[in-house]
Amino acid sequence: EAGVAQSPRYKIIEKRQSVAFWCNPISGHATLYWYQQILGQGPKLLIQFQNNGVVDDSQLPKDRFSAERLKGVDSTLKIQPAKLEDSAVYLCATQGRRNTGELFFGEGSRLTVL
Amino acid sequence: GQQLNQSPQSMFIQEGEDVSMNCTSSSIFNTWLWYKQDPGEGPVLLIALYKAGELTSNGRLTAQFGITRKDSFLNISASIPSDVGIYFCAGLPSGTYKYIFGTGTRLKVLA
Repeated sequence: EAGVAQSPRYKIIEKRQSVAFWCNPISGHATLYWYQQILGQGPKLLIQFQNNGVVDDSQLPKDRFSAERLKGVDSTLKIQPAKLEDSAVYLCATQGRRNTGELFFGEGSRLTVL
Repeated sequence: GQQLNQSPQSMFIQEGEDVSMNCTSSSIFNTWLWYKQDPGEGPVLLIALYKAGELTSNGRLTAQFGITRKDSFLNISASIPSDVGIYFCAGLPSGTYKYIFGTGTRLKVLA
């Protein structure tokens, strides 16, 4: 079974530029999460989708971050405009059983904002 | 956001030694997950726990769901160099659907 796929693996941009990350979940996994992981810390939830609907985006900085999940499968996370403090690894995770099962992570997309 | 208290923050051990780490919270949890993260990679699920008192093994790894439901423990027996990495716990508080992550335990194994 293929795991969670993310791209790009690495991205370097200048502040005020925009960037987009893509995630393809494990087949059949209805719940999808985007996490931000700053160096030396645990993952912090940005947004949770159930199929193509947003369940929780309370910690998403909506003035600059946006996310969508097209047709309940792939998802994109966009940052526009980027700030220096957005430098982090952006992790996508998916979950099979609704809300209480295991989370499976992708390899992450490492963003450096200069 | 809220994070679990995970300890120790880091540890250096000799190859062959056993390792113990834990996560604690003031809240009751329904699920505990343990992950290992290598540099430049995403977290990989090691063990999932769903019941208070549950003890689950995965090779040399053993994890337990604390009886009080407020803590969990991960033990690694006979450590080897490839055990190096950061270990995270993640807990699902009772009555919520949002996992909370620990701050990580950085493990270094000296050959």
